Amino acid sequence: AQKITQTQPGMFVQEKEAVTLDCTYDTSDPSYGLFWYKQPSSGEMIFLIYQGSYDQQNATEGRYSLNFQKARKSANLVISASQLGDSAMYFCAMREGWAGGSYIPTFGRGTSLIVHP
Amino acid sequence: DTGVSQNPRHKITKRGQNVTFRCDPISEHNRLYWYRQTLGQGPEFLTYFQNEAQLEKSRLLSDRFSAERPKGSFSTLEIQRTEQGDSAMYLCASSLVGQGGNQPQHFGDGTRLSIL
Repeated sequence: AQKITQTQPGMFVQEKEAVTLDCTYDTSDPSYGLFWYKQPSSGEMIFLIYQGSYDQQNATEGRYSLNFQKARKSANLVISASQLGDSAMYFCAMREGWAGGSYIPTFGRGTSLIVHP
Repeated sequence: DTGVSQNPRHKITKRGQNVTFRCDPISEHNRLYWYRQTLGQGPEFLTYFQNEAQLEKSRLLSDRFSAERPKGSFSTLEIQRTEQGDSAMYLCASSLVGQGGNQPQHFGDGTRLSIL
């Protein structure tokens, strides 16, 4: 079974609008962390936001927020006020079992976001 | 800029040749990871180091692949007897050891390997 599922291969959004990128995960471990990364066409992976499984509040970082629904095992990324520079691939990743010492994250297949002017 | 640095950015070689990539992590980071990424996929874990110790290797890492981090600073990834299927982007990332698993990885720009 896929540990990280990103069901949207591609998304389009108008500049200045908000967009939600979906991510669902599968784990039986109570201790896990969820990450979102952005990968522009130039190739580098840029860390955006983190949510821990025990965090009570949804994570926010500037225009990025993570809609964490633990019971549904979903960790959707919300980008508010989209900018042209947001056009990129977006990857959701999970690091599970860190309480037991594992630090290897698993990445989803990504969602390509295109922001239209 | 003191981010993660990878060299070379691009490598084109003939099938059967050996190649070596280098990664210089962020200086205070003691964890270093290697990933492989093919078109349309997310990064796939290959191996990681904590300081100079190689702590985990993926089943993807065949015996043609070897990675070292001799002094706990930079790392090299060598692929021997390259095959067509080795064509991919090879990403290096580094992170701190933190309390819990919340330390993000910082990635380099990658080395794109093309096998002719």
